[in-house]
Amino acid sequence: EVQLVESGGGLEQPGGSLRLSCAGSGFTFSNYDMHWVRQVRGKGLEWVSGIETTGETYYTDSVKGRFTVSRENAKNSLYLQMNNLRVGDTAMYYCARAHGGKSNWFDPWGQGTLVTVSS
Amino acid sequence: EIVLTQSPATLSLSPGERATLSCRASQSLSNYLAWYQQRPGQAPRLLIYDASNRATGIPARFSGSGSGTDFTLIISSLEPEDVAVYYCQQRTTWPLTFGGGTKVDIK
Repeated sequence: EVQLVESGGGLEQPGGSLRLSCAGSGFTFSNYDMHWVRQVRGKGLEWVSGIETTGETYYTDSVKGRFTVSRENAKNSLYLQMNNLRVGDTAMYYCARAHGGKSNWFDPWGQGTLVTVSS
Repeated sequence: EIVLTQSPATLSLSPGERATLSCRASQSLSNYLAWYQQRPGQAPRLLIYDASNRATGIPARFSGSGSGTDFTLIISSLEPEDVAVYYCQQRTTWPLTFGGGTKVDIK
């Protein structure tokens, strides 16, 4: 069974840092592009970042220069280093696999890890 | 950035009725549009990709159509487990973007 499990969320102050992790299992992790998508409670979905199998990375404008996506294929893991956090970054963060490997459709999704930025 | 506008915001129907959800793009997507279902308290799941292809395990009552800027998701006969928010998403250009969602309720 394909599974994605996020961890690393929590409460952090504005200006602080958090590192999210996503552990994949049940598939050959290195063959798939991976993404982070976030959702403010009660609101819609927002794509945050993606990383291709080649290591090429993409970001939404609001996190460029503050967030860094990376992957460690030997550990079947995806990461999101979040620096200079803002109150507006408060959300549930989901990792998602690219459907079919490189399609940029998200399938499946993890259950999410909650990030709260507050003083 | 491509903006996706979903309508209606809320749809309230009886079991067995047909649900028609719309997603309109600010520029042409060809067929690069997907639909997701998010049930209460759950992560989203992929329903339809490339405008009309059902993802693995998705019931046949879900169908997608459209191309260019106008897309439709149809639930042919609404079941109680279809209560959810439905989102469209495009992958034509970066950043990848989602629509604001349509909430489907059962009367």
